[in-house]
Amino acid sequence: EVQLLDSGGGLVQPGGSLRLSCAASGFTFNTYAMSWVRQAPGKGLEWVSAISGSGGATYYADSVKGRFTISRDNSKNTVYLKMNSLRAEDTAIYYCAKVTSGWYLDPLDHWGQGTLVTVSS
Amino acid sequence: EIVLTQSPDFQSVTPKEKVTITCRASQSIGTGLHWYQQKPDQSPKLLIKYASQSISGVPSRFSGSGSGTDFTLTINSLEAEDAAAYYCHQSYSSPTFGGGTKVEIK
Repeated sequence: EVQLLDSGGGLVQPGGSLRLSCAASGFTFNTYAMSWVRQAPGKGLEWVSAISGSGGATYYADSVKGRFTISRDNSKNTVYLKMNSLRAEDTAIYYCAKVTSGWYLDPLDHWGQGTLVTVSS
Repeated sequence: EIVLTQSPDFQSVTPKEKVTITCRASQSIGTGLHWYQQKPDQSPKLLIKYASQSISGVPSRFSGSGSGTDFTLTINSLEAEDAAAYYCHQSYSSPTFGGGTKVEIK
């Protein structure tokens, strides 16, 4: 059974940093691309970032480019999202999601439970 | 950026009724369109991929159609457990999601 466990969220001041983690199990981790998707309180879904199975290719939404960094450790079956220069508009639940293949543009077939990031002074 | 426009934003429906949700893309995306269901306080769940391909374990009352710029998610014979928000998602280029359609049971 595929499981994704998101963690690392919390309250952070504007301009601060946070690192999210997503621990995966139940599938051959290094075969699949992984994505992060966020959802602001009461709002819709927004794709944030993705990484290839090997970790050699990364992709970002314009809204986070230059501030967020996605990475993965295939020995630990874990994907990370390092978030710097956080803004109030980054406040959201962040979901880790597994892509159906190694190509980041394929659909997202399993999602973590989400971790809440609140950016506020 | 490809913009996805869903309609309606909200729909109140009685059980056993048929529900149709549309998603229009700002440019042609072939069949690179997927549908998700998100129940309150839950993570999204993949319902349909590539416009019309079914997903294992998803009830057969859910179906999708369309290509190019216009897509439809149909729920035949709505059940109470289908109360949720539904989102379309394009993967033709840098991913984007539609604004969502909330389906309420009368």
